[in-house]
Amino acid sequence: DVKVTQSSRYLVKRTGEKVFLECVQDMDHENMFWYRQDPGLGLRLIYFSYDVKMKEKGDIPEGYSVSREKKERFSLILESASTNQTSMYLCASRKQGYTGELFFGEGSRLTVL
Amino acid sequence: GENVEQHPSTLSVQEGDSAVIKCTYSDSASNYFPWYKQELGKGPQLIIDIRSNVGEKKDQRIAVTLNKTAKHFSLHITETQPEDSAVYFCAASKPHTNAGKSTFGDGTTLTVKP
Repeated sequence: DVKVTQSSRYLVKRTGEKVFLECVQDMDHENMFWYRQDPGLGLRLIYFSYDVKMKEKGDIPEGYSVSREKKERFSLILESASTNQTSMYLCASRKQGYTGELFFGEGSRLTVL
Repeated sequence: GENVEQHPSTLSVQEGDSAVIKCTYSDSASNYFPWYKQELGKGPQLIIDIRSNVGEKKDQRIAVTLNKTAKHFSLHITETQPEDSAVYFCAASKPHTNAGKSTFGDGTTLTVKP
């Protein structure tokens, strides 16, 4: 059974803290994505990666960075968390090619106080 | 960039009725249109998709139609059941050099009343 695993389902952090959200996939997919989900705003792309050490900004990259040191792992980093980054974060992966199914993790709900 | 609009934002139907969710997209280069279902506490999961060279696709009670000229596509669910209650997202993808970005609609919360 294919799987995308997000390490933390729920996190509570304080303003200014550094936050790491980890995502691991077991499908040997080249492409990995981080989305942010807010009510009424759908899924907005933060960053994506198409290969190890390769990354590109999505639609809302401000305040975020990413790391992809290994093919199976894609990390989202909030250098200095702010309250407006309180949200649900979804990781997804897709095999090589520009179209096809996205496989999502179950999400990480981050609350920044 | 691509813009995807989805309507309605909420939809309530009686069990057994049909449900229709509509999306429009802006970029004529988009050529892949998936629909995802998100149940409470879970990540979105693909339920059906359509590519731009096809006008309609069916899978049991679910169908998707695509009108490339008008740049809109729709999800049709027939004989709805309570387990169809979820949030549904449409998306549009276009060729990208490396990864193929998907732009999502804002979602439709479907409630099926028993």
